[in-house]
Amino acid sequence: DAGVTQSPTHLIKTRGQHVTLRCSPISGHKSVSWYQQVLGQGPQFIFQYYEKEERGRGNFPDRFSARQFPNYSSELNVNALLLGDSALYLCASSLVSLETQYFGPGTRLLVL
Amino acid sequence: KNEVEQSPQNLTAQEGEFITINCSYSVGISALHWLQQHPGGGIVSLFMLSSGKKKHGRLIATINIQEKHSSLHITASHPRDSAVYICAVRNTGNQFYFGTGTSLTVIP
Repeated sequence: DAGVTQSPTHLIKTRGQHVTLRCSPISGHKSVSWYQQVLGQGPQFIFQYYEKEERGRGNFPDRFSARQFPNYSSELNVNALLLGDSALYLCASSLVSLETQYFGPGTRLLVL
Repeated sequence: KNEVEQSPQNLTAQEGEFITINCSYSVGISALHWLQQHPGGGIVSLFMLSSGKKKHGRLIATINIQEKHSSLHITASHPRDSAVYICAVRNTGNQFYFGTGTSLTVIP
């Protein structure tokens, strides 16, 4: 069975643009979480969705938004990109909200 | 001050040595996670703990809720254990906080 998949794997944008990152959880998993990892630092929690509802939100500006679809896949949207948004964006899924998380390979975003 | 503090930041060990990585946290938690991140970014979840101790192969994780402290132990370390080990906690408000990681290098 496939693990968590994310697309695209790499992305280059310029300041002010908008980006959409996608995540497909492991089949049967209903919870998806998003994390940002800046080079050399630990991940930072952005959002958690469970059963298509937001269940947790980290300390990120409103430029960051997400949603979960009926098939439990998820999108992370970032508007008005800043240089500091350059990072590895990780998605993780779990069967239910408070279970062990399984991480995807991440999307590397570079903002120029 | 970070909600999650790990020590040491960097660790070099000889193959076969017993390794301990420590994690202290300052928030009330519902669960603590130990993660392993290899070069290139791939993250593997090693343990999820809310109390006591868990063992998986050569890895052991313990947590002391009263002291807000957890340890990850690796017995008979091997070069393939070289990675960054990250402690993360989920607080009672369903937010995650991550430590900055411990970079482990095991030398043959």
